[in-house]
Amino acid sequence: KAGVTQTPRYLIKTRGQQVTLSCSPISGHRSVSWYQQTPGQGLQFLFEYFSETQRNKGNFPGRFSGRQFSNSRSEMNVSTLELGDSALYLCASSSAGGETQYFGPGTRLLVL
Amino acid sequence: AQSVTQPDIHITVSEGASLELRCNYSYGATPYLFWYVQSPGQGLQLLLKYFSGDTLVQGIKGFEAEFKRSQSSFNLRKPSVHWSDAAEYFCAVGGMLNAGKSTFGDGTTLTVKP
Repeated sequence: KAGVTQTPRYLIKTRGQQVTLSCSPISGHRSVSWYQQTPGQGLQFLFEYFSETQRNKGNFPGRFSGRQFSNSRSEMNVSTLELGDSALYLCASSSAGGETQYFGPGTRLLVL
Repeated sequence: AQSVTQPDIHITVSEGASLELRCNYSYGATPYLFWYVQSPGQGLQLLLKYFSGDTLVQGIKGFEAEFKRSQSSFNLRKPSVHWSDAAEYFCAVGGMLNAGKSTFGDGTTLTVKP
C-alpha cells in the first residue's frame, strides 16, 4: 500500500497570504489528522476529520481550517499567514482514528 | 487531559551501548501508546505501539518498550545502538477517548558517538 502523501513538500509565503496544504491518506483509511511541528512548541494537534466531518479540534485560531473529501483526502487552509505559522505540517491517517496513525513526510511552510 | 513527558531532552550514547528513553503519560482511560522516530526534515516513523496484552512490545529496528501501568511509563529500549539510530524520538499517547488525536512528548534527541 502507498503511504500517506502530502503536497507540496515545501512552500514559501509572505505574511498576510493564505495557503492550502493537501494530504492523501493510506487507501482505506477514513481518519485524517493534522499536526503542526515547531522547535518551540513541538508537535501540536490541529484537527481530525473522519468521514468528511471534523471530529476533534486542537487549540488553534480560526485562521486554521480544514476539510475532508468523500475519497478521504484532506486539505488544511491557513488564512492571513503570520511569521509564527512557519512550521512543518504533518498529516496522519488511520483507519478509524483511535488507533495507529501513520504519518506523511510533511509540508514545510516558511512565512516571510 | 492527556499528556506525555519525556524527561530527557538530549541523550548521548556510544555505538554498541544500550539505550533507554523514558516516557511518562497521563490519560483518562485505557491508553494507546506509541514511539515514533524522526530524522531531520522527515515525517514520523512508527517504531512500536502498545494497545493491550503483553506489556513488553517489540518494534522495528531492534527496539522494544515496556508498559508499566503502576508507573504510567512506557520506556523505549535497545540493547545495542547503531550510528544510524541517531534521530529524535517521540513518545505519544492516544486512544478512543479523543479519537484521531495523539498527544506527543517534546522528544528526545539521540546522539551516537563512534
